[in-house]
Amino acid sequence: AQSVTQLGSHVSVSEGALVLLRCNYSSSVPPYLFWYVQYPNQGLQLLLKYTSAATLVKGINGFEAEFKKSETSFHLTKPSAHMSDAAEYFCAVILAGKSTFGDGTTLTVKP
Amino acid sequence: DTGVSQNPRHKITKRGQNVTFRCDPISEHNRLYWYRQTLGQGPEFLTYFQNEAQLEKSRLLSDRFSAERPKGSFSTLEIQRTEQGDSAMYLCASSSPRLAGAIETFTDTQYFGPGTRLTVL
Repeated sequence: AQSVTQLGSHVSVSEGALVLLRCNYSSSVPPYLFWYVQYPNQGLQLLLKYTSAATLVKGINGFEAEFKKSETSFHLTKPSAHMSDAAEYFCAVILAGKSTFGDGTTLTVKP
Repeated sequence: DTGVSQNPRHKITKRGQNVTFRCDPISEHNRLYWYRQTLGQGPEFLTYFQNEAQLEKSRLLSDRFSAERPKGSFSTLEIQRTEQGDSAMYLCASSSPRLAGAIETFTDTQYFGPGTRLTVL
């Protein structure tokens, strides 16, 4: 069985500040890990994915995530937040074609 | 290609009525997924198809729910005798898994549609 825990349902940062969204996973075998972003009333858009290649994964819009097996983590970061980054972010693990999503973290960016 | 499309975008119905949603995947994608998302939660897997075959169904998919993909292209999700607890966003996604040698990988990226928001009164 697999599961995903996103620590912090709401994160608020100032524009230009570091963004850190936390994701921990549980999986019986090495997982494939994804981060998605969802804007209001829209579907999910892929930010980045880890598929057992490089542990530091770069995605769109300046986001990146690092896979740490010892910590079972896949935290999402961005050095400098922009107002347009305000959205809901979901971490997901995929195993044998079945996706399990975390409950999401809402990112608020203050001017 | 215009991506994954879903219709309708919004549906309001009365308890006990039947509803049907449609999903049109990206044309070359052979996998199609249905998810349900309630407020404050992440998407929950319901079922997925590879071509026209329904390969897995979640236990969340009660006998009031049925999904089809008759020709391996678009898919429909029907909910019979709707209940207020069925109110949610229903998301569709499609993907095209790649072959790594003789082994199909499961790293396929799922592309999501905009969803259908169902409100059951």
